[in-house]
Amino acid sequence: GAVVSQHPSRVICKSGTSVKIECRSLDFQATTMFWYRQFPKQSLMLMATSNEGSKATYEQGVEKDKFLINHASLTLSTLTVTSAHPEDSSFYICSASAGLFTDTQYFGPGTRLTVL
Amino acid sequence: AQSVTQLDSHVSVSEGTPVLLRCNYSSSYSPSLFWYVQHPNKGLQLLLKYTSAATLVKGINGFEAEFKKSETSFHLTKPSAHMSDAAEYFCVVSGATSGTYKYIFGTGTRLKVLA
Repeated sequence: GAVVSQHPSRVICKSGTSVKIECRSLDFQATTMFWYRQFPKQSLMLMATSNEGSKATYEQGVEKDKFLINHASLTLSTLTVTSAHPEDSSFYICSASAGLFTDTQYFGPGTRLTVL
Repeated sequence: AQSVTQLDSHVSVSEGTPVLLRCNYSSSYSPSLFWYVQHPNKGLQLLLKYTSAATLVKGINGFEAEFKKSETSFHLTKPSAHMSDAAEYFCVVSGATSGTYKYIFGTGTRLKVLA
C-alpha cells in the first residue's frame, strides 16, 4: 500500500519551454502533497506544499510563477516548470500524505529534468 | 524549532558486518522521527517510523532504530549488511507548521558496503 507514482521519470526539454510533471497517489487519497527538489549528492529541498482544492504554499525563495503547482484531486498533483532554463535542471520528487492526522509522507520515484 | 543532524556523511562497512547510522534530533516536543533510504536516481522509501509507541522500532529489510530521549538520538542499525543496502539514508523529523506537517531532513549518510 501507499504507492506514489510520478510521470515522466525523465524529461529533456529545450530552454524556454514548459514541462509538466504528474504525481499520483495510487492506492490512497492524498490530502496533502509535497514537491521537493534534490541537487546531486544533497538532501531534499522542499519547494511547496499543496492541499487538495487549495492554492499551494511555497517555501521562501521558490518562485511561484516559475513552478506552478495544481492539486486538483485527492490523487493527483502536477508541477509545471514554466519557461525552463538550464539552471532548472534537477531531480524533482513528490510525496503524499494520507490525512490531516498523519505526518507520514510517501515518496514518488522522482523525475529527472534536463533543460538544454 | 526542530532540527536533525546526521553525524556521518559517509559510512563504509563490509558485507555481513553491523551497520550503524547516527542521527541526533532537536525538538521542543515529542517528535515523530523517520528513516528513509534512497537508492541512486530513485525516490525515498520509508524504512521505519517512531511515534512514541515504543522506543525500539523495527523496520523493513532488517533495520531497526532506537529512540533515546536522554541522548536525543535515533540511530539506525542493522545486524548484518548486504550489498543491496548500499544507498543514501536520510533521518527525518516531522514538525507541524500552520496545521501542516512538514519534514526536516538530515543531510544524509551514504552507506557503502564492501564485498
